[in-house]
Amino acid sequence: GQQLNQSPQSMFIQEGEDVSMNCTSSSIFNTWLWYKQDPGEGPVLLIALYKAGELTSNGRLTAQFGITRKDSFLNISASIPSDVGIYFCAGQLARGANSKLTFGKGITLSVRP
Amino acid sequence: EAQVTQNPRYLITVTGKKLTVTCSQNMNHEYMSWYRQDPGLGLRQIYYSMNVEVTDKGDVPEGYKVSRKEKRNFPLILESPSPNQTSLYFCASSYSLGTGASEQYFGPGTRLTVT
Repeated sequence: GQQLNQSPQSMFIQEGEDVSMNCTSSSIFNTWLWYKQDPGEGPVLLIALYKAGELTSNGRLTAQFGITRKDSFLNISASIPSDVGIYFCAGQLARGANSKLTFGKGITLSVRP
Repeated sequence: EAQVTQNPRYLITVTGKKLTVTCSQNMNHEYMSWYRQDPGLGLRQIYYSMNVEVTDKGDVPEGYKVSRKEKRNFPLILESPSPNQTSLYFCASSYSLGTGASEQYFGPGTRLTVT
């Protein structure tokens, strides 16, 4: 079945640094989503990407839909302590709820003050 | 406020004692889904529902039941819980068609411990 790979499992950065996270797939997706999960909470949608090559920003976050449709990345610039959490990528083959959303295993981000 | 709510947030129970975790959304979403989250395994889909009275199995449906009698509610039922169902459970919802159909909104989670 479809799998999304996120690595490393954990990342440790200094406050103020930029960080980039990658998500790769063995198969093509037509929608990419990035979620963040704060400790003790449910995942919250950060950015949705619907077109190959699309680059979308949300504040300090920027995400891109890879040209090959098999990858996506998320950049966080000028990190702050509240960026701590688990970042999940998710891919969907076809737009619409009848197409399964596949999640990566997540990257745990720690930010040192 | 648009949201997905789950109850209870925390539950400790014993093997074999039937339980229900409720999920409700106020966004008029057609699609609802249940996931479990386990360390090292990420989010795995248990069941989903495309609309009222329409439900289907996800990746890990064994030991679970669901129902969708109303659009806003999607309870998760464990008829005879076992320790391997100890997990963090999330309900999610979205529209079923259109641009927003991919964007699932998650509830706050229910941490279940089965002893």
